[in-house]
Amino acid sequence: SQQGEEDPQALSIQEGENATMNCSYKTSINNLQWYRQNSGRGLVHLILIRSNEREKHSGRLRVTLDTSKKSSSLLITASRAADTASYFCATVAYGGATNKLIFGTGTLLAVQP
Amino acid sequence: DAGITQSPRHKVTETGTPVTLRCHQTENHRYMYWYRQDPGHGLRLIHYSYGVKDTDKGEVSDGYSVSRSKTEDFLLTLESATSSQTSVYFCAISDHSNQPQHFGDGTRLSIL
Repeated sequence: SQQGEEDPQALSIQEGENATMNCSYKTSINNLQWYRQNSGRGLVHLILIRSNEREKHSGRLRVTLDTSKKSSSLLITASRAADTASYFCATVAYGGATNKLIFGTGTLLAVQP
Repeated sequence: DAGITQSPRHKVTETGTPVTLRCHQTENHRYMYWYRQDPGHGLRLIHYSYGVKDTDKGEVSDGYSVSRSKTEDFLLTLESATSSQTSVYFCAISDHSNQPQHFGDGTRLSIL
Protein backbone atom coordinates (compact mmCIF):
# COMPACT_ATOMS: atom_id res chain seq x y z
CA SER A 1 0.00 0.00 0.00
CA GLN A 2 1.22 3.48 -0.80
CA GLN A 3 2.30 5.60 2.12
CA GLY A 4 2.99 8.78 0.21
CA GLU A 5 0.86 10.49 -2.38
CA GLU A 6 2.36 13.27 -4.45
CA ASP A 7 0.45 16.18 -5.83
CA PRO A 8 0.31 17.20 -8.62
CA GLN A 9 0.93 14.09 -10.71
CA ALA A 10 2.41 16.26 -13.46
CA LEU A 11 3.70 19.82 -13.55
CA SER A 12 4.92 21.89 -16.50
CA ILE A 13 6.70 25.21 -15.95
CA GLN A 14 9.07 27.61 -17.70
CA GLU A 15 12.74 27.84 -16.93
CA GLY A 16 13.37 30.27 -14.11
CA GLU A 17 10.04 29.63 -12.40
CA ASN A 18 9.67 27.86 -9.08
CA ALA A 19 8.21 24.35 -8.84
CA THR A 20 6.34 23.09 -5.80
CA MET A 21 5.44 19.47 -5.21
CA ASN A 22 3.46 18.14 -2.28
CA CYS A 23 3.45 14.80 -0.51
CA SER A 24 0.95 13.43 1.96
CA TYR A 25 1.42 10.31 4.03
CA LYS A 26 -0.63 8.20 6.40
CA THR A 27 1.31 7.03 9.45
CA SER A 28 3.85 8.40 11.91
CA ILE A 29 7.30 8.64 10.42
CA ASN A 30 10.95 8.61 11.43
CA ASN A 31 11.96 10.70 8.44
CA LEU A 32 10.84 11.69 4.97
CA GLN A 33 13.07 11.66 1.91
CA TRP A 34 12.81 13.15 -1.57
CA TYR A 35 14.28 11.49 -4.64
CA ARG A 36 14.65 12.46 -8.29
CA GLN A 37 14.50 10.07 -11.22
CA ASN A 38 15.65 11.02 -14.68
CA SER A 39 14.13 9.08 -17.56
CA GLY A 40 15.65 5.61 -17.84
CA ARG A 41 17.77 5.98 -14.72
CA GLY A 42 17.65 4.99 -11.07
CA LEU A 43 16.46 7.23 -8.26
CA VAL A 44 18.83 9.76 -6.77
CA HIS A 45 18.47 10.93 -3.19
CA LEU A 46 17.95 14.69 -2.84
CA ILE A 47 17.21 15.50 0.77
CA LEU A 48 16.15 13.90 4.06
CA ILE A 49 14.10 15.66 6.71
CA ARG A 50 13.63 14.15 10.16
CA SER A 51 10.30 14.11 11.96
CA ASN A 52 11.49 16.75 14.46
CA GLU A 53 12.54 19.15 11.70
CA ARG A 54 10.21 21.62 9.99
CA GLU A 55 12.31 22.92 7.13
CA LYS A 56 15.51 22.01 5.36
CA HIS A 57 17.47 23.58 2.51
CA SER A 58 19.94 22.18 0.02
CA GLY A 59 21.04 24.49 -2.77
CA ARG A 60 17.92 25.39 -4.77
CA LEU A 61 15.83 22.86 -2.87
CA ARG A 62 13.63 23.67 0.11
CA VAL A 63 11.70 20.97 1.92
CA THR A 64 9.09 21.53 4.59
CA LEU A 65 7.46 18.99 6.86
CA ASP A 66 4.22 19.35 8.78
CA THR A 67 3.76 16.24 10.92
CA SER A 68 0.39 17.46 12.25
CA LYS A 69 -0.96 17.43 8.69
CA LYS A 70 1.19 14.47 7.62
CA SER A 71 2.44 16.40 4.63
CA SER A 72 5.65 17.65 3.07
CA SER A 73 6.49 19.94 0.19
CA LEU A 74 9.49 20.21 -2.10
CA LEU A 75 10.24 23.59 -3.64
CA ILE A 76 12.73 23.92 -6.48
CA THR A 77 13.64 27.55 -7.04
CA ALA A 78 14.79 29.08 -10.33
CA SER A 79 14.18 25.85 -12.19
CA ARG A 80 16.33 24.72 -15.11
CA ALA A 81 15.66 22.41 -18.03
CA ALA A 82 17.96 19.89 -16.32
CA ASP A 83 15.46 19.68 -13.43
CA THR A 84 13.06 17.86 -15.74
CA ALA A 85 12.50 14.51 -14.00
CA SER A 86 10.11 12.59 -11.79
CA TYR A 87 10.21 13.42 -8.10
CA PHE A 88 9.25 10.97 -5.36
CA CYS A 89 8.72 11.31 -1.67
CA ALA A 90 9.42 8.33 0.55
CA THR A 91 8.72 7.83 4.21
CA VAL A 92 10.43 5.75 6.84
CA ALA A 93 7.94 4.59 9.42
CA TYR A 94 8.64 3.78 13.04
CA GLY A 95 8.72 0.29 14.38
CA GLY A 96 10.12 -3.11 13.56
CA ALA A 97 13.66 -4.41 13.39
CA THR A 98 14.24 -2.90 9.96
CA ASN A 99 12.83 0.35 8.70
CA LYS A 100 11.60 0.37 5.14
CA LEU A 101 11.11 3.17 2.64
CA ILE A 102 7.58 3.53 1.30
CA PHE A 103 7.42 5.51 -1.93
CA GLY A 104 4.70 7.65 -3.35
CA THR A 105 3.69 7.56 -7.00
CA GLY A 106 5.68 10.62 -7.99
CA THR A 107 5.33 14.00 -9.68
CA LEU A 108 6.53 14.36 -13.26
CA LEU A 109 8.14 17.79 -13.66
CA ALA A 110 8.76 19.24 -17.11
CA VAL A 111 10.78 22.46 -17.28
CA GLN A 112 10.43 24.17 -20.65
CA PRO A 113 13.50 26.10 -21.88
CA ASP B 1 27.48 7.60 -8.08
CA ALA B 2 27.45 4.81 -5.54
CA GLY B 3 28.98 1.61 -6.88
CA ILE B 4 25.92 -0.40 -7.82
CA THR B 5 25.71 -2.51 -10.93
CA GLN B 6 22.60 -4.32 -12.10
CA SER B 7 22.72 -7.06 -14.68
CA PRO B 8 21.35 -7.62 -17.17
CA ARG B 9 20.05 -4.14 -18.05
CA HIS B 10 17.44 -5.52 -20.41
CA LYS B 11 15.92 -8.96 -20.76
CA VAL B 12 13.10 -10.45 -22.77
CA THR B 13 11.94 -13.92 -21.89
CA GLU B 14 8.93 -16.20 -22.09
CA THR B 15 6.28 -17.07 -19.54
CA GLY B 16 7.27 -20.01 -17.37
CA THR B 17 11.03 -19.58 -17.66
CA PRO B 18 13.25 -18.89 -14.65
CA VAL B 19 14.94 -15.49 -14.49
CA THR B 20 17.69 -14.25 -12.20
CA LEU B 21 18.65 -10.61 -11.82
CA ARG B 22 21.89 -9.62 -10.17
CA CYS B 23 22.80 -6.62 -8.07
CA HIS B 24 26.45 -6.01 -7.25
CA GLN B 25 27.73 -3.29 -4.90
CA THR B 26 31.21 -2.07 -4.10
CA GLU B 27 30.20 0.11 -1.12
CA ASN B 28 30.14 -2.61 1.56
CA HIS B 29 26.67 -1.46 2.64
CA ARG B 30 24.74 -3.75 4.95
CA TYR B 31 21.29 -3.29 3.45
CA MET B 32 20.25 -4.24 -0.06
CA TYR B 33 16.79 -3.97 -1.60
CA TRP B 34 14.89 -5.05 -4.68
CA TYR B 35 12.02 -2.90 -5.97
CA ARG B 36 9.79 -3.02 -8.97
CA GLN B 37 8.48 0.10 -10.67
CA ASP B 38 5.22 0.10 -12.57
CA PRO B 39 3.15 2.99 -13.95
CA GLY B 40 0.73 4.29 -11.34
CA HIS B 41 2.36 2.37 -8.49
CA GLY B 42 5.66 4.09 -7.87
CA LEU B 43 8.31 1.81 -6.41
CA ARG B 44 7.24 -1.23 -4.43
CA LEU B 45 9.57 -3.28 -2.26
CA ILE B 46 9.91 -6.94 -3.23
CA HIS B 47 12.56 -8.27 -0.83
CA TYR B 48 15.39 -6.85 1.16
CA SER B 49 18.50 -8.05 2.95
CA TYR B 50 20.01 -6.83 6.20
CA GLY B 51 23.15 -8.95 6.02
CA VAL B 52 24.69 -12.02 4.43
CA LYS B 53 22.07 -14.78 4.37
CA ASP B 54 19.59 -12.46 6.14
CA THR B 55 16.62 -11.58 3.98
CA ASP B 56 12.97 -10.67 4.44
CA LYS B 57 9.86 -10.06 2.39
CA GLY B 58 8.58 -6.75 1.21
CA GLU B 59 5.20 -5.59 -0.01
CA VAL B 60 5.05 -7.61 -3.25
CA SER B 61 7.14 -10.75 -2.63
CA ASP B 62 4.87 -13.43 -4.13
CA GLY B 63 6.56 -15.16 -7.08
CA TYR B 64 10.03 -13.87 -6.15
CA SER B 65 12.90 -15.26 -4.12
CA VAL B 66 16.26 -13.74 -3.18
CA SER B 67 19.65 -14.82 -2.00
CA ARG B 68 22.64 -13.05 -0.54
CA SER B 69 25.69 -15.26 -0.10
CA LYS B 70 28.17 -12.36 -0.11
CA THR B 71 27.96 -8.79 1.11
CA GLU B 72 28.34 -7.43 -2.40
CA ASP B 73 25.79 -9.55 -4.29
CA PHE B 74 22.01 -9.73 -4.01
CA LEU B 75 20.15 -11.96 -6.45
CA LEU B 76 16.48 -11.77 -7.36
CA THR B 77 14.93 -14.89 -8.90
CA LEU B 78 11.64 -15.36 -10.64
CA GLU B 79 11.21 -19.13 -10.48
CA SER B 80 8.56 -19.23 -13.21
CA ALA B 81 8.08 -15.85 -14.82
CA THR B 82 4.58 -14.55 -15.53
CA SER B 83 3.48 -11.63 -17.69
CA SER B 84 2.46 -9.69 -14.56
CA GLN B 85 6.13 -9.60 -13.62
CA THR B 86 6.97 -7.47 -16.64
CA SER B 87 8.42 -4.39 -14.99
CA VAL B 88 11.50 -2.33 -14.33
CA TYR B 89 13.46 -3.73 -11.39
CA PHE B 90 15.70 -1.58 -9.24
CA CYS B 91 18.28 -2.58 -6.71
CA ALA B 92 19.19 -0.21 -3.90
CA ILE B 93 21.67 -0.17 -1.03
CA SER B 94 21.99 1.69 2.24
CA ASP B 95 24.24 1.76 5.26
CA HIS B 96 21.34 1.84 7.67
CA SER B 97 17.68 1.08 7.11
CA ASN B 98 16.47 4.64 7.87
CA GLN B 99 19.14 6.36 5.80
CA PRO B 100 19.04 7.35 2.12
CA GLN B 101 19.23 4.57 -0.40
CA HIS B 102 21.43 4.53 -3.48
CA PHE B 103 19.91 3.01 -6.58
CA GLY B 104 21.19 1.13 -9.58
CA ASP B 105 20.01 2.05 -13.07
CA GLY B 106 17.48 -0.75 -13.26
CA THR B 107 16.73 -3.85 -15.29
CA ARG B 108 13.92 -3.68 -17.80
CA LEU B 109 12.32 -7.12 -17.87
CA SER B 110 9.70 -8.12 -20.43
CA ILE B 111 7.91 -11.44 -20.14
CA LEU B 112 6.00 -12.49 -23.23
